[in-house]
Amino acid sequence: AQKITQTQPGMFVQEKEAVTLDCTYDTSDPSYGLFWYKQPSSGEMIFLIYQGSYDQQNATEGRYSLNFQKARKSANLVISASQLGDSAMYFCAMREGRGGGNKLTFGTGTQLKVEL
Amino acid sequence: GAVVSQHPSWVICKSGTSVKIECRSLDFQATTMFWYRQFPKQSLMLMATSNEGSKATYEQGVEKDKFLINHASLTLSTLTVTSAHPEDSSFYICSARVSLGAGETQYFGPGTRLLVL
Repeated sequence: AQKITQTQPGMFVQEKEAVTLDCTYDTSDPSYGLFWYKQPSSGEMIFLIYQGSYDQQNATEGRYSLNFQKARKSANLVISASQLGDSAMYFCAMREGRGGGNKLTFGTGTQLKVEL
Repeated sequence: GAVVSQHPSWVICKSGTSVKIECRSLDFQATTMFWYRQFPKQSLMLMATSNEGSKATYEQGVEKDKFLINHASLTLSTLTVTSAHPEDSSFYICSARVSLGAGETQYFGPGTRLLVL
């Protein structure tokens, strides 16, 4: 079974609008971390936001917020006030276990295109 | 923020040659680094976990004799693709875990594009 599922291969959003990128995860480990990364065409992986499984509040970083719904095992990324520079591939990732190798498992990604 | 560098950024080589890729943590010490591979239009796949001063841990299906990993210091891990073949052409990315107070993240290097002719 997929540990990280991103069901939206591609998304379009108009500039200045908000967009939600979906991510669901599957784990039986009570301790885990969820990450979102942005990968522009240059290939670099840019860290956006992190949510720990025990965090009480949803994570926020500037225009990025993570809608963490633990019971539903979802960790959607919300980008507010989209900008043309937000056009990129976005990956959701999970780290299982407290320390547990710290390796990340990635979803298949969502290609976001911001339009004028 | 923490910076991870990779060298070279891209390399073209002939089939049968070996290629070494370096991954450095520039402003922090990383006891553990990770090597990923990404084919076009696909996600990142973990190849191995590189541990400073000990042997790397390889993921299932990754040939340890083909992808040699050395983590000789707290700031440097190297991946050597031995006897490279065209099917090894890919985007190779390293990362290192960084603690951020109560949180954490993994910072990634800029990646190395390998083309084997």
